[in-house]
Amino acid sequence: AQSVAQPEDQVNVAEGNPLTVKCTYSVSGNPYLFWYVQYPNRGLQFLLKYITGDNLVKGSYGFEAEFNKSQTSFHLKKPSALVSDSALYFCAVRDGDSNYQLIWGAGTKLIIKP
Amino acid sequence: EAQVTQNPRYLITVTGKKLTVTCSQNMNHEYMSWYRQDPGLGLRQIYYSMNVEVTDKGDVPEGYKVSRKEKRNFPLILESPSPNQTSLYFCASSFLGAYEQYFGPGTRLTVT
Repeated sequence: AQSVAQPEDQVNVAEGNPLTVKCTYSVSGNPYLFWYVQYPNRGLQFLLKYITGDNLVKGSYGFEAEFNKSQTSFHLKKPSALVSDSALYFCAVRDGDSNYQLIWGAGTKLIIKP
Repeated sequence: EAQVTQNPRYLITVTGKKLTVTCSQNMNHEYMSWYRQDPGLGLRQIYYSMNVEVTDKGDVPEGYKVSRKEKRNFPLILESPSPNQTSLYFCASSFLGAYEQYFGPGTRLTVT
């Protein structure tokens, strides 16, 4: 069965420091991986995706994520955090060999302190 | 502007009173989906549609209905709402294939 785990409910980072939000997944076929961000009282916005190719993918707002097949991970990273990055972050996975259903992690609240 | 719209944004209703949440997209997307978001549970898919007149159940379809009579619209129907359907609902759409989904702003539903 497909699943996504975001092991941290909340991540606290000081402004200017690097940040990492963790995601691990399980799918039987080829993983299509996505990161989305949700700001308060807003819908989800797409940040980046991995389908194939380079393991390091770059996305919106300076975020990037690294696909690691052996560790079945897709951690979200940013070299220097901004207060405005504070939001709820969701990782999602799709089995690229079968259907279009996205399986979502529970979300990680990212808090950037000035 | 490319967007997914949902109405209403907020709704408070009573148990058993039928309601419909509308969803419309202007991007000519084939795929549309409804999710509910509950704290600590992430997003759970209710129903999805891969094209007009083609709908299928997601992970939590009980108590919900959908229809896809036009490509742009995908309404969510609660025939007899119950308090356990109190949640934040999102509609999303995308092209078929390895594409990201676009989300509506959400509908916060409270059933008393």
